[in-house]
Amino acid sequence: DAMVIQNPRYQVTQFGKPVTLSCSQTLNHNVMYWYQQKSSQAPKLLFHYYDKDFNNEADTPDNFQSRRPNTSFCFLDIRSPGLGDAAMYLCATSRDLGREGLYEQYFGPGTRLTVT
Amino acid sequence: QQPVQSPQAVILREGEDAVINCSSSKALYSVHWYRQKHGEAPVFLMILLKGGEQKGHEKISASFNEKKQQSSLYLTASQLSYSGTYFCGTEKGSQGNLIFGKGTKLSVKP
Repeated sequence: DAMVIQNPRYQVTQFGKPVTLSCSQTLNHNVMYWYQQKSSQAPKLLFHYYDKDFNNEADTPDNFQSRRPNTSFCFLDIRSPGLGDAAMYLCATSRDLGREGLYEQYFGPGTRLTVT
Repeated sequence: QQPVQSPQAVILREGEDAVINCSSSKALYSVHWYRQKHGEAPVFLMILLKGGEQKGHEKISASFNEKKQQSSLYLTASQLSYSGTYFCGTEKGSQGNLIFGKGTKLSVKP
C-alpha cells in the first residue's frame, strides 16, 4: 500500500544533542510538509517542500532545518533540541492537482520526540 | 491568522448529530477538514473550495460560506468511530500549507 512512513516512531535525545527525524513516502507526491504538534494543540507547520523548493514558515526557529534529497525522502534536523522542542513531529505529503487549494494531505504516523 | 473553531468540545450519544464551525478573519479560497484520533495522525476528511467545489468522503458533509469566511462540518447519525479531534485548516499559501484551528474534540458515547 502506498503510504507515508516516519522513523523512528519514538526518539529520545538529550538537551542540545542534534537529532534527525526521517520521512519517506511511496505516493510519489511532489509536496512534503513537516508539522510540530504539542500535546492537545493543533499541528503547526514548520516548512514544506514543493518539489525541490524549500519553503520555511516565518516563525519556524532556526534550530529546525530540513533536507529533501529526492522525491521520496525528507528529513527534519533539530540542531540543538531544547526542552520546548519535545513534541510529536508529523510528516505529510500532497500532490499538485493543478487546482489551487486542492491539496489533500496524507500524514505519517509521527515521531514522538522526548528531550531529556 | 489561525481560524477559530467552535465548539471546543462536544459530547454526543450514538445517533445524534453535531455541527462544528470554523471561521476566519481573512478571505478564504479553501477550507480543509481533518480528524485526528488520540495518538494517531490526522486523516483527511474534506476540502471545500471557493465556488462550490468539494473533495472528500461521501459520508461527510460540509458547507463553505465564502462571504462570511466560514465553514461548517456536519456529522449526522454519529457513530462511536466519529470520536476524535476535528481540525479545520485554512491556507497560509498556495501550496497546501495550512494553518489549523485549535480543534474540536468530539466524544461519542454508546
